[in-house]
Parts: sequence; structure tokens; C-alpha cells
Amino acid sequence: KNQVEQSPQSLIILEGKNCTLQCNYTVSPFSNLRWYKQDTGRGPVSLTIMTFSENTKSNGRYTATLDADTKQSSLHITASQLSDSASYICVVSFLSGGYNKLIFGAGTRLAVHP
Amino acid sequence: EPEVTQTPSHQVTQMGQEVILRCVPISNHLYFYWYRQILGQKVEFLVSFYNNEISEKSEIFDDQFSVERPDGSNFTLKIRSTKLEDSAMYFCASRGTTGYGYTEAFFGQGTRLTVV
Repeated sequence: KNQVEQSPQSLIILEGKNCTLQCNYTVSPFSNLRWYKQDTGRGPVSLTIMTFSENTKSNGRYTATLDADTKQSSLHITASQLSDSASYICVVSFLSGGYNKLIFGAGTRLAVHP
Repeated sequence: EPEVTQTPSHQVTQMGQEVILRCVPISNHLYFYWYRQILGQKVEFLVSFYNNEISEKSEIFDDQFSVERPDGSNFTLKIRSTKLEDSAMYFCASRGTTGYGYTEAFFGQGTRLTVV
């Protein structure tokens, strides 16, 4: 069954600290993996998107890694800011009937405290 | 920057009533999606739409749901007879196409549907 599991479920860190969020997936055939940031009550906003051949991708203070062999990804946030408080969702895309289909993880809720 | 817009931002309706949620995708995009997110739960796929027809739908998308692209810009989700359990945030998304096999999906801000 195609699944995306994220850990931890929630995380509290102090402003300025770094953190790493984890994503494990069992999705086949794999197309790409995305990390989204979702503020409460808002739509998801894309942070990174990686294909099978990409191991790492950065977007400012966000760095995503992908190990397609172990089917694991991580999102590292550097020098956290209060505005980083949000849910971070790992989304894996697979091909179904010729179309890309997205499977969403449950997200990690990050709270950055001053 | 182009964005997906959804209206209304919040809709309250009585059980059994019909609702139409509206979306204006990014203008040159070809693939359109509806997702929903029940409060505190993960985002769930409802339906994808391409070339003026449904390309895929989930088990959630039963006969009470329908989608339409009535003109060149709007993409709507209709729920014919709302149930309490339809209360959720509904997200519209769109994406374009390239020769590389994948493109980014852009999400709207969502419509919060409350069925009372």
C-alpha cells in the first residue's frame, strides 16, 4: 500500500536552532518527492521537489535530502525563525494510469519559540 | 507571482444543501485537482481533471461530488447534498506541464466548508 510516514508528529524548538524532519515512504512507482509548508488554515506551499536522481536540494534555509534506496527523506531547517512555525508535509508522487498522483504525509507540526 | 485563487474562503451550509466551491487555477496550467483536509487530519486527494474530463478520483469522490470547468478560467467542485462529515478545508491545485515529466503543483488558500 502506498504510504507516507512522517516523524516526529510535532516538534518545539527555540528560535535560531536547527531541526530535521523525517519522511519514510512506501510508494511505487516513485516519481518525485516534495516538501510543503502549511500555515494553519492555509494551503500548502512548495519548498522543494526532488526526483529519483537528486540527493539534496536547498531552498534558502531549507535543505531536503532523498535516499531513494532506503525510501527516506529529510527536511533540515537552519537557524529557525518564528515564521517557520507551521506544518511541514512530505508528499510523494507516483505514476498511476499515466498521471502523477500525490500521497500526503500527516505532517510534522513545528513550533518555534522565542 | 501567479496564484490559485479560491472562493469563498469560508462557507457555512445546512446539511442536505448543495454547495459549489470555486477555483481559478493559474492561467496556463493544464491539470487541476481538488483535495480536502478534515480538521487535524492529513490532506486527502479527491479528484484530478485534465483535458475537460476527470482523469482520476478517489473513493471519497462519490456521486455526491462533481467537478466542472464551465469556462476557460474557473474550476468548480459541487457537493449536491452536504453531510456533516463533508465539513473540511477544500483545496484546489493546478499544475502546468513540461517535457521533464513533473511540474510543481500550486495550491489555493482553501475554502473552509462547515456543514451544520
